[in-house]
Amino acid sequence: QKEVEQNSGPLSVPEGAIASLNCTYSDRGSQSFFWYRQYSGKSPELIMFIYSNGDKEDGRFTAQLNKASQYVSLLIRDSQPSDSATYLCAVLTSYDKVIFGPGTSLSVIP
Amino acid sequence: GAVVSQHPSWVICKSGTSVKIECRSLDFQATTMFWYRQFPKQSLMLMATSNEGSKATYEQGVEKDKFLINHASLTLSTLTVTSAHPEDSSFYICSARVIAAGGSYEQYFGPGTRLTVT
Repeated sequence: QKEVEQNSGPLSVPEGAIASLNCTYSDRGSQSFFWYRQYSGKSPELIMFIYSNGDKEDGRFTAQLNKASQYVSLLIRDSQPSDSATYLCAVLTSYDKVIFGPGTSLSVIP
Repeated sequence: GAVVSQHPSWVICKSGTSVKIECRSLDFQATTMFWYRQFPKQSLMLMATSNEGSKATYEQGVEKDKFLINHASLTLSTLTVTSAHPEDSSFYICSARVIAAGGSYEQYFGPGTRLTVT
C-alpha cells in the first residue's frame, strides 16, 4: 500500500463549480497534512495545511480532515481556469518525514 | 510565507561532470532542509533530509556518494550531483521546514533546479 494516495485524474470541472480533491494516507500516526498546487514546470506552492479533524477554510479553499478514516480532502469553490494545476497532498508522517501523493490533475473549463 | 531560493534555476552539464545546487532560506533559519527529485509527470520523491551541522539522512535507494549534501549553516544547504549521467536529469527541489508557533510544522519549497545531463 502506498503511503499517500490520490486519484490521478484528470479531474475536469466547469468554471464556477466546486472541485473536490481527495487523499488517503496509511500512517495512522500522521498529524499534519498539506495541500500544494503545482503548475507545470514550477515548484509546489503551499495552499493550506490542517492538523485537526474537521474543516478549515481559507478563501475559496476548504480542507477537510478525518483522522479516523485517514482521509483528507480539498474543496475549491467557484473554480477558475487559473486553478488548473496539479494538486499534491502531503503528509507529515509519524517518522517525521513529509511524503507526497502522486497528485491530481485539475482542469477548470471556461 | 517563508521564502526559499535555489540556484541555479536550470543547468546543462556533460556526462561525468559534477553539479552543485544551492538552497537558501532567505528570511528565516532552517534547521532542517529536504531535497526532493521529480521526474516528468511524477510526484516529488524525497531524496534526503539535511540537518544543520550533521550528516544528511538518505532515503532508501538514493546513493549518498553520488548525491552529496552539505548543510553548513542555518540558511544554506547544497546538493552536489557527482559524476552526473543522463538518468540524473530531473527537477531537483529543496524544501525548508519552519516550526511555527505552537510547534506545528510548515514546509516551503524553493523554485527548483532543472538539471539536464547530456
